[in-house]
Formats: sequence, C-alpha cells, structure tokens
Amino acid sequence: QSALTQPASVSGSPGQSITISCTGTSSDVGGSKLVSWYQQHPGKAPKLMIYDVSNRPSGVSNRFSASKSGNTAFLTIFGLQSEDEADYYCSSFTASSTWVFGGGTMLTVL
Amino acid sequence: EVQLVESGGGLVQPGGSLRLSCSASGFTFSSSAMHWVRQAPGKGLEYVSGINDNGHTTHYADSVKGRFTIYRDDSKNTVYLQMTSLRTEDTAVYHCVKDRSGHYAFDYWAQGTLVTVSS
Repeated sequence: QSALTQPASVSGSPGQSITISCTGTSSDVGGSKLVSWYQQHPGKAPKLMIYDVSNRPSGVSNRFSASKSGNTAFLTIFGLQSEDEADYYCSSFTASSTWVFGGGTMLTVL
Repeated sequence: EVQLVESGGGLVQPGGSLRLSCSASGFTFSSSAMHWVRQAPGKGLEYVSGINDNGHTTHYADSVKGRFTIYRDDSKNTVYLQMTSLRTEDTAVYHCVKDRSGHYAFDYWAQGTLVTVSS
C-alpha cells in the first residue's frame, strides 16, 4: 500500500487561508468516506482534526474544514494562527482493510 | 479523561524481539478497537497494526505481517504488540492509539515509546 501524496510544505500569513491536498487512488481516498486528518506539533503526539472526510471532533476549531473530490482530499485552514504551525497528515481506510497515511505536510505560518 | 500509557520500548539487536504494552483508562476499553502507529525519526506516520473490540479481527501493515502480533487483555485494559525478527527499519516511535468507534479514525494517541533496532 503506497502512502498518500501530500505536498511537503505549505505556508501562509496570519489571517490567511491555506489548503493541503492529499491524493490517493480509488482503492483508498477515492473509494472511501473514511478519510481523516491529523495535526502534529514537534515532539507531540498527533491529534485528530477531521474524520469521515469532513467532520470535526468536539473541541476542534471551526477554522478547520475538509472535503474530498475524486481521489483527492483537502484540508483547509481559515484565518491562520501561529498555533496552527505544525505537521499535518491525512489518512484513509483502504479496500485492503487497512489504513494508509500521507507523507505529511509541514505548515509554516509566516 | 482518556489516558494511554505505553511501555516496553528500548534498544534491541536486529533479529531480536520486543513486546510493547499500552495500558488504557478513561473509557470503556473492551468496547474500543485499538491500534499501533509508528513514526521513524524525522519521518511520517505509518500504520502498523490494529485489533477490534472483541479481539477477533486484526490488521497488519505488509511491512510487519508475519513478524508482529497484536493482542489485547481486556481484564487489564491493555493492548500489546509482540514484535519479532526486528529489522533496523523498524526503528521508530510507536504510538498506541484508540479507535474512534465506527469511524475508522484515530482519536486518542499516546505519546509513544521509542524502539531502536541496532547492533
């Protein structure tokens, strides 16, 4: 199972919006409603930000939004804040009944 | 409050074995699937293994299939990862993760325990 494809890095200024893409295949992202996104600050454990493509767990800011089109999922962060600077990973449940992660995207808030 | 505490990491020689443990509290452990996800130094997340709530269904990444075994003891609220035939490429921080039931997502992560495979 190959890793999902994410951009290595994205950046934005405070207050701006950014979007991170996550591209897979019809065997994972394209064929699944079970796409999730995780935020990881340096030295910390990952945190669930989005599940089931676009749902936010309780406590996650509504500045985080996600969607999917075909084989690509998207995470958008509105109104960037300094605390959003972190690594972001997408994940999908696959047709092989296992999970696959993206390679991760480093978000820099300028 | 959900708490996941791992133990068992350390240094092991190639070909050796190690067992990781993850003790859980703050939720109904017996009703929750559990997973292990690893992260090699400076690298991204990699799914390793998972077990469903009743222990009858397990999942493994191809990279560990046949070498790693996941199991659980609900009387101890603990999930284990038995690792054998370890390779240098298994070096990573191993996170114990609680499943978000019914959603195939990982909603609570332990801090992780470092496994180093080196001679």
